[in-house]
Amino acid sequence: GAVVSQHPSWVICKSGTSVKIECRSLDFQATTMFWYRQFPKQSLMLMATSNEGSKATYEQGVEKDKFLINHASLTLSTLTVTSAHPEDSSFYICSALDAALGMETQYFGPGTRLLVL
Amino acid sequence: SQELEQSPQSLIVQEGKNLTINCTSSKTLYGLYWYKQKYGEGLIFLMMLQKGGEEKSHEKITAKLDEKKQQSSLHITASQPSHAGIYLCGAHGGNQFYFGTGTSLTVIP
Repeated sequence: GAVVSQHPSWVICKSGTSVKIECRSLDFQATTMFWYRQFPKQSLMLMATSNEGSKATYEQGVEKDKFLINHASLTLSTLTVTSAHPEDSSFYICSALDAALGMETQYFGPGTRLLVL
Repeated sequence: SQELEQSPQSLIVQEGKNLTINCTSSKTLYGLYWYKQKYGEGLIFLMMLQKGGEEKSHEKITAKLDEKKQQSSLHITASQPSHAGIYLCGAHGGNQFYFGTGTSLTVIP
């Protein structure tokens, strides 16, 4: 099946620094990618929808200036956590929508664990 | 916006027992996805349902989208410890994707 990769798989950073997370669709083109975050023992929360070539659509309560999303190509979307703080520590997951042949399937990346000290 | 309510919120069953998880939407569903997740791991796509009345099975897991297309059920037959995890339903609403509230499943050996 289709594969979505994330890099890095985990990252530890100091408070105040910025962290970039990459999400790549490896064998299909994805015009739409999604970014989620998850806190322990809680459900996934959709942060934003990323469309190739246009601005991302952010969910209510998600600061677009803090979580910068760029979807510059059909196989790559990036999430940058700017001026990270300990409360940003979480598990970030991306997914990519494969709409080939008129059927939509969503593939998820393995996730990136962020720890802000 | 679309809301997806799952029930039950959590479930503890003895190994070998059958169980059902429901996902109810506030709006008509045009495609309903079921996923399984263990915390700290990526989501596993289980199956997608698109047509009212559609039913799909994978191993011991069966999912159905009801005729009115506002509810889906996920049924596990003869549960095993490997079935434990959080089950999420998901659906597109406009140009957004929504997840259900999640159901935590524990299977006691």
